[in-house]
Amino acid sequence: AQSVSQHNHHVILSEAASLELGCNYSYGGTVNLFWYVQYPGQHLQLLLKYFSGDPLVKGIKGFEAEFIKSKFSFNLRKPSVQWSDTAEYFCAVNGINNAGKSTFGDGTTLTVKP
Amino acid sequence: DTAVSQTPKYLVTQMGNDKSIKCEQNLGHDTMYWYKQDSKKFLKIMFSYNNKELIINETVPNRFSPKSPDKAHLNLHINSLELGDSAVYFCASSRGHQSEQYFGPGTRLTVT
Repeated sequence: AQSVSQHNHHVILSEAASLELGCNYSYGGTVNLFWYVQYPGQHLQLLLKYFSGDPLVKGIKGFEAEFIKSKFSFNLRKPSVQWSDTAEYFCAVNGINNAGKSTFGDGTTLTVKP
Repeated sequence: DTAVSQTPKYLVTQMGNDKSIKCEQNLGHDTMYWYKQDSKKFLKIMFSYNNKELIINETVPNRFSPKSPDKAHLNLHINSLELGDSAVYFCASSRGHQSEQYFGPGTRLTVT
């Protein structure tokens, strides 16, 4: 079975601070990895994804994530957050041989203070 | 030109009623999903359809019945609604079952 763990449930930062949200997964095979963002009152949107190749992937709005296979991690980073980054962030894993089931982490609430 | 649309956006109903939520995608995707997001924002998959065939059916009460009349539509019918069904239900679609998913705006269901 696959699972996803997001270590930080609620992160509070001031504008311009750097961000790193942790994501670890459990799956005994090849995976596709995703970060989604849900702004207040809105639906989930894709931030970035990793399928293969360069383990450092860049997404929208200055976000990036690094896949470290040996650590089963896919942490999300942004060098300088803005107030508008306040949202819920979800990490998701999709095991290649897992019949199409994506498992989402429990989410991390990011609050950026102006 | 909304990619994934859901109706209604809000649904308030009483316990015991039967209700349906509709979902349509115009992205040409072959896979569609229903998720339930509870008050703590936890997101759990309920069902997944690929080319109108059910491929994922999580541990969901059989009061919930999805129906996919074609690849572009996936509806969710709920019988005998209970208080615990109150949540936001999201529809999503993807190209194949391993690509990124595109989510609809959600349907906030409140059971009183």
